Amino acid sequence: DARVTQTPRHKVTEMGQEVTMRCQPILGHNTVFWYRQTMMQGLELLAYFRNRAPLDDSGMPKDRFSAEMPDATLATLKIQPSEPRDSAVYFCASGLQSLSYEQYFGPGTRLTVT
Amino acid sequence: GDSVTQMEGPVTLSEEAFLTINCTYTATGYPSLFWYVQYPGEGLQLLLKATKADDKGSNKGFEATYRKETTSFHLEKGSVQVSDSAVYFCALRNTGNQFYFGTGTSLTVIP
Repeated sequence: DARVTQTPRHKVTEMGQEVTMRCQPILGHNTVFWYRQTMMQGLELLAYFRNRAPLDDSGMPKDRFSAEMPDATLATLKIQPSEPRDSAVYFCASGLQSLSYEQYFGPGTRLTVT
Repeated sequence: GDSVTQMEGPVTLSEEAFLTINCTYTATGYPSLFWYVQYPGEGLQLLLKATKADDKGSNKGFEATYRKETTSFHLEKGSVQVSDSAVYFCALRNTGNQFYFGTGTSLTVIP
């Protein structure tokens, strides 16, 4: 049963610290998405990649957030420096262009910045 | 810009009741439409999809029909169960491969 995996599942850190979240997409999927979910804002698309190239990162605060895909099996989302307002659940999802980009979500990383 | 609007919740139903969650969209051309479900503490899961007008997506007793004339993709189920309690998201992918999600509708089914 192929699944998207995310690590860590939970992260508590202090303001100003660097946070790195990792995602392993489903093998063979060529598209990876990063979302942030909060009660106030709902689900926000931060960035997405196709064939490891960034296609849209307009939803991501550029001054502190960065997203990369070092290889086809790993996507990373980094926040430096972190702030309390970054506290949220961060989801990674993967998809396949040939399947209309239906997305398969990971379990999420719950980030708390104090 | 493109967008998805879904009915606000929360929705509370008794077991075996009929469910409708409304979803309308704004998009040029022919977007693909999706319903996702999120159970507590989990990521979203694809429930069903439709990629062209008049298509009906169905899964686990849920159905939604892509209505171009009314720009709608309402989710329905004839008889809900307690295990259907979750948050439901309507979403679209437009022809420019941009993605939009609704705000989610919380459903609680009581025995």
